[in-house]
Amino acid sequence: AAGVIQSPRHLIKEKRETATLKCYPIPRHDTVYWYQQGPGQDPQFLISFYEKMQSDKGSIPDRFSAQQFSDYHSELNMSSLELGDSALYFCASSFRTGYEQYFGPGTRLTVT
Amino acid sequence: KQEVTQIPAALSVPEGENLVLNCSFTDSAIYNLQWFRQDPGKGLTSLLLIQSSQREQTSGRLNASLDKSSGRSTLYIAASQPGDSATYLCAVKNFGNEKLTFGTGTRLTIIP
Repeated sequence: AAGVIQSPRHLIKEKRETATLKCYPIPRHDTVYWYQQGPGQDPQFLISFYEKMQSDKGSIPDRFSAQQFSDYHSELNMSSLELGDSALYFCASSFRTGYEQYFGPGTRLTVT
Repeated sequence: KQEVTQIPAALSVPEGENLVLNCSFTDSAIYNLQWFRQDPGKGLTSLLLIQSSQREQTSGRLNASLDKSSGRSTLYIAASQPGDSATYLCAVKNFGNEKLTFGTGTRLTIIP
C-alpha cells in the first residue's frame, strides 16, 4: 500500500539558511499534518491543512510557514534556521480530519 | 491543556511473555486515541486507533483498551517477540483541534 512520502530524507543546513521540506500524502487523503520531534522528545504538532486550507496551528515558529497545494502535497518552509531547529520532521496524512493519521518516514534536519 | 503520560518509560521482558503498556491523559474529552510504535531514528507506525465511543480494538497480538472516564488506555501485547522491541507511543486527539498530543513513550525491549 502507498505510504506518505517525505523528501528529502536528510538535510544539512547552516545557521540562518532556509530549508524546504516536502510531503506527499497517501492517495485520496486530503488532510496533512506536520510534527517536529527533537532528540529524545515526543512529536510536537506544528500545523495542519484540510482541503488546502490551514485547519489547525500548534507551536510553529513565525520563521516557519507551510501550505498545501492543489494536488494535496504540502511544503514546510523554514527560514533563518537555528541550531535548535535540528530535529526529525514528520508529515502525516488522513482521509478527512479526525481520522487515523498515517506518518511518513520523516526528514532529519541538521543545522550546523 | 491535554497532557499524556506513559509509565513506565522503559520495560524489559523475556520473549514469550504477555505485557501491558499504560497511557493516561488528563482531559477526557477525547475524539480518539492512537497507539504507535517507533524504531530508533525511524518513523511512526500506527498500530491501533480507538474512537472515543469504543472500549477496545484488536489487531493480531495487540489489544488496546480505552477508559475515557478514568483517562486511561492500555496496550496489551501477547506472546512478545524480539521484533516487538521499539518505543511505543500513545497519542490523543481532542475535540476542537486537529493535533495529536503524544505521550513520552515506553521503550520496550524483548529479551530473546
